[in-house]
Amino acid sequence: AQSVTQLGSHVSVSEGALVLLRCNYSSSVPPYLFWYVQYPNQGLQLLLKYTSAATLVKGINGFEAEFKKSETSFHLTKPSAHMSDAAEYFCAVSDRWGSQGNLIFGKGTKLSVKP
Amino acid sequence: DGGITQSPKYLFRKEGQNVTLSCEQNLNHDAMYWYRQDPGQGLRLIYYSQIVNDFQKGDIAEGYSVSREKKESFPLTVTSAQKNPTAFYLCASEAGQGNQPQHFGDGTRLSIL
Repeated sequence: AQSVTQLGSHVSVSEGALVLLRCNYSSSVPPYLFWYVQYPNQGLQLLLKYTSAATLVKGINGFEAEFKKSETSFHLTKPSAHMSDAAEYFCAVSDRWGSQGNLIFGKGTKLSVKP
Repeated sequence: DGGITQSPKYLFRKEGQNVTLSCEQNLNHDAMYWYRQDPGQGLRLIYYSQIVNDFQKGDIAEGYSVSREKKESFPLTVTSAQKNPTAFYLCASEAGQGNQPQHFGDGTRLSIL
């Protein structure tokens, strides 16, 4: 069965600092992986997705994530945090060969950005 | 623009009352989903539907019901059997292939009066 673990329910960085949000997955088959962002009282917006084409995936708003099979990780990074990045971030895994499209979500990481 | 519309944005339920949350999409997506979001618990799947007139229970289906009579619409009813309905409810849709992302509505926040 697929699962996702996001390390750290809260992460705080200073404006201009590196953002690193951690995600580890468990999957018995090659996974599809996604990062979503959620602003208060809104739905989830897709940041980026990994579908086996390239291990380094670039997304919107300057975010990127690297798929590391040996570490079963898909950490999200951004070189320089901006105040507008403050939000909650969710990592998700999809089972490619099983029920189509069902996503398993991590519990989320709330990112705070200090001026 | 194509998207998912959830209504209402805020909803209040009295004890013993059923309430229905609306979800409409104009993305021509086959699959639709309902999630419940509670603080610190991420998203939990309530029901999903991969084609019209068919739906499956998710992880926390007890106290909820759905229908899928039209491709565009996937309403969720929170019944009086759901003893702790206060939560943020999110509807999503997807083209129906495992490598496609889900698109989300802006959610409905349900509270108990």
